[in-house]
Amino acid sequence: QVQLVQSGAEVKNPGASVKVSCKASGYTFTSYYMHWVRQAPGQGLEWMGMINPSDGGTNYPQKFQGRVSMTRDTSTSTVYMELSSLRSEDTALYYCARTIYGDSYYMDVWGKGTTVIVSS
Amino acid sequence: DIVMTQSPDSLAVSLGERATITCKSSQSVLYSSNNKNYLAWYQQKPGQPPKLLIYWASTRESGVPDRFSGSGSGTDFTLTISSLQAEDVAVYYCQQYYSRAITFGQGTRLEIK
Repeated sequence: QVQLVQSGAEVKNPGASVKVSCKASGYTFTSYYMHWVRQAPGQGLEWMGMINPSDGGTNYPQKFQGRVSMTRDTSTSTVYMELSSLRSEDTALYYCARTIYGDSYYMDVWGKGTTVIVSS
Repeated sequence: DIVMTQSPDSLAVSLGERATITCKSSQSVLYSSNNKNYLAWYQQKPGQPPKLLIYWASTRESGVPDRFSGSGSGTDFTLTISSLQAEDVAVYYCQQYYSRAITFGQGTRLEIK
């Protein structure tokens, strides 16, 4: 079945970087975009950007430009999200979610999320 | 960015009654060339990731009960649960994908009265 399996929880110091992985299975990896969405404790959903696993092309919202990097490894069907210069406000649950190619950016399959805690 | 505003922030409805959540976008999410509204609805239960309910404003995702329906066009949209069940307790989010900068509404918490 279609699955997105994310890496385990992380605890980081302020100023550090974190890299979260999302391994896809059960579908053609390069036929779907992958998005990252985060959710701070008790808060709503915030889109962090997307990657095209086929060519590695990315699209980041202005808020995260310069601080986020999304990459992929087609040999393992895995995408990665790296967030740098971490601050306490980056403490959140980070989800990967896929959307089909084209302009249909509704997310039909989600990972279970990766908790990132930023604390000194 | 397109701002998505949901109302109400929270809602309590009796079992078997209708629940209605609205979502308003700061600009139209209707693409005139294909007459499609680039809007989705998600359900998030505690401790779970969001689940896609509705896309293109009114198309129900496979497996979603038919008591869930979406309507609206342009800037004003509605998610309706026709007969509330206990398992529908959750937070509901709208999302626009008209713009390449995807945005979500702030969420509406639905509880049983």
